[in-house]
Amino acid sequence: GAVVSQHPSWVICKSGTSVKIECRSLDFQATTMFWYRQFPKQSLMLMATSNEGSKATYEQGVEKDKFLINHASLTLSTLTVTSAHPEDSSFYICSATRLAAYEQYFGPGTRLTVT
Amino acid sequence: AQKVTQAQTEISVVEKEDVTLDCVYETRDTTYYLFWYKQPPSGELVFLIRRNSFDEQNEISGRYSWNFQKSTSSFNFTITASQVVDSAVYFCALSEYNNNDMRFGAGTRLTVKP
Repeated sequence: GAVVSQHPSWVICKSGTSVKIECRSLDFQATTMFWYRQFPKQSLMLMATSNEGSKATYEQGVEKDKFLINHASLTLSTLTVTSAHPEDSSFYICSATRLAAYEQYFGPGTRLTVT
Repeated sequence: AQKVTQAQTEISVVEKEDVTLDCVYETRDTTYYLFWYKQPPSGELVFLIRRNSFDEQNEISGRYSWNFQKSTSSFNFTITASQVVDSAVYFCALSEYNNNDMRFGAGTRLTVKP
């Protein structure tokens, strides 16, 4: 149990366009979902935390208008990178937790390349 | 805020050697959770272990073992008789009881040569 999927697994887009990444908990209800960004040869950096039905909480330095997060249901969160630029190219990983659980279940990641 | 330090950026060993990956953490909470993850070249994080702050027992799982010492705020990971398939980046992470955020160390890139 506790499987998290992400779609797409990789995406290439042109500069200025928007890209949506989906994160789904397949066999459990996720009360909280997290979005991380990982640049090459670096660690995972938390971007934002989202609870179902409420606005996401963004980490300092993360532009909320650029990285739109929607957590509309207990099994789905989406991250939309708006007006993407080459510097947004990165590996985006989501994770999800269950109620009263202290473990995050990670998705397989989405590799975004902006040309 | 919690902090995790993995001082070893890269380690290279020859197959069958034992290797220890260090992890030192900082937290003000008395209840917290420590994790180790493996990230192979595919990028997907592989969960290895979770430890809560009240359980200082060392754990062994096959060739993997973990040494948790609260006195030194360390949670080290040892691979015995390393294999080429162990080559990956390994992350140590900390999550506090009152804060669902998980903070990762910088990671240690392990290369096991045949």
